[in-house]
Amino acid sequence: QKEVEQDPGPLSVPEGAIVSLNCTYSNSAFQYFMWYRQYSRKGPELLMYTYSSGNKEDGRFTAQVDKSSKYISLFIRDSQPSDSATYLCAMSATNYGQNFVFGPGTRLSVLP
Amino acid sequence: NAGVTQTPKFQVLKTGQSMTLQCAQDMNHNSMYWYRQDPGMGLRLIYYSASEGTTDKGEVPNGYNVSRLNKREFSLRLESAAPSQTSVYFCASRGLAGIAKNIQYFGAGTRLSVL
Repeated sequence: QKEVEQDPGPLSVPEGAIVSLNCTYSNSAFQYFMWYRQYSRKGPELLMYTYSSGNKEDGRFTAQVDKSSKYISLFIRDSQPSDSATYLCAMSATNYGQNFVFGPGTRLSVLP
Repeated sequence: NAGVTQTPKFQVLKTGQSMTLQCAQDMNHNSMYWYRQDPGMGLRLIYYSASEGTTDKGEVPNGYNVSRLNKREFSLRLESAAPSQTSVYFCASRGLAGIAKNIQYFGAGTRLSVL
């Protein structure tokens, strides 16, 4: 079993749809959870950062962490064609360690 | 505001050739990383440098060497390239203070093909 699992997609949705992206993980020590967005032929860029369990909202994006289920989600409301990218989840057990673990990414296409 | 700069952007090598991938950051970050990204595998850590003068192996270090030249620069060297090293390579850096402790900033990547 991989340490972080993520459905690779591709996921295609119409413009304006609500998108749900998910990751599951096996290491209960993870406390710091991140979502990165990666456009084609570009490097990943941080989208959302969450510590421990709970929700965090930033504009059209909401990140949820359920540590009891070892499950994290990213919701995108009113999706736009510019949201078409690969979304990577990442997590870490500490805020000083070097061991970030990334999911393989979900490729999202938002169709106009 | 350049952030993390990687050179070259593209490279084609023949099996057995050597090359060095360059990375520089202008954010005064202490930690720097080299990852490779392959389809379905996500980002895998090759080497990292927690601070100037230190380097450590990551998940997939075989076939690679690194040099932390100074605080800004962290290079990755392939001594004898193999087709299995065909991949996209990303350099990243990480801050030490506050929320920046958990944010990695990535370069645009180097696309390497080994024939």
